[in-house]
Amino acid sequence: NAGVTQTPKFRILKIGQSMTLQCAQDMNHNYMYWYRQDPGMGLKLIYYSVGAGITDKGEVPNGYNVSRSTTEDFPLRLELAAPSQTSVYFCASSPNSGGPPYEQYFGPGTRLTVT
Amino acid sequence: QQQVKQSPQSLIVQKGGISIINCAYENTAFDYFPWYQQFPGKGPALLIAIRPDVSEKKEGRFTISFNKSAKQFSLHIMDSQPGDSATYFCAARPFSGGYNKLIFGAGTRLAVHP
Repeated sequence: NAGVTQTPKFRILKIGQSMTLQCAQDMNHNYMYWYRQDPGMGLKLIYYSVGAGITDKGEVPNGYNVSRSTTEDFPLRLELAAPSQTSVYFCASSPNSGGPPYEQYFGPGTRLTVT
Repeated sequence: QQQVKQSPQSLIVQKGGISIINCAYENTAFDYFPWYQQFPGKGPALLIAIRPDVSEKKEGRFTISFNKSAKQFSLHIMDSQPGDSATYFCAARPFSGGYNKLIFGAGTRLAVHP
């Protein structure tokens, strides 16, 4: 199993540009998440999905969009990039096990800079 | 708003010493408290976790202590090693949130000096 994979690893965007961060998992997990990690701020949930076709907003959704057409893929779309979106983005997935450890499996991250 | 507050922001420990990271939460509606470990350039990974009906859980050199009445929990790393140098996040799972959602603390950057 490759686990959770993310592409690209690094990206530099100009203000106003758009891009899609790709995320895929091969563990057949129902739940998937997108986080952003800023220094000293921990991990903030952007969007999450409980299954194909079902997504919902997290704590910081503004400026982002998601879709989930398959169990495996959960892309994150940035429209009109702004410097405030400079961050490291992590995708994660979790199985619907119904009990502990409720573990989330993280991808390696995408470091995005908007200038 | 549900929050998890973590301290200290950074920590330096000598090899063989004890590393202690503390977290406090402001809401009683959490039912699971994991700790995640993140090495530079990598995503976080589950290290150890505890349920609120248990006061302590130990796995090797890592121990979680949980104080339900004080709404606090802490991670102790005994005999700290340079390989333990990483960022540690505490987290809490909302009881009613479902979907395995987690609220993360701000993180503690631990450096263990040889």
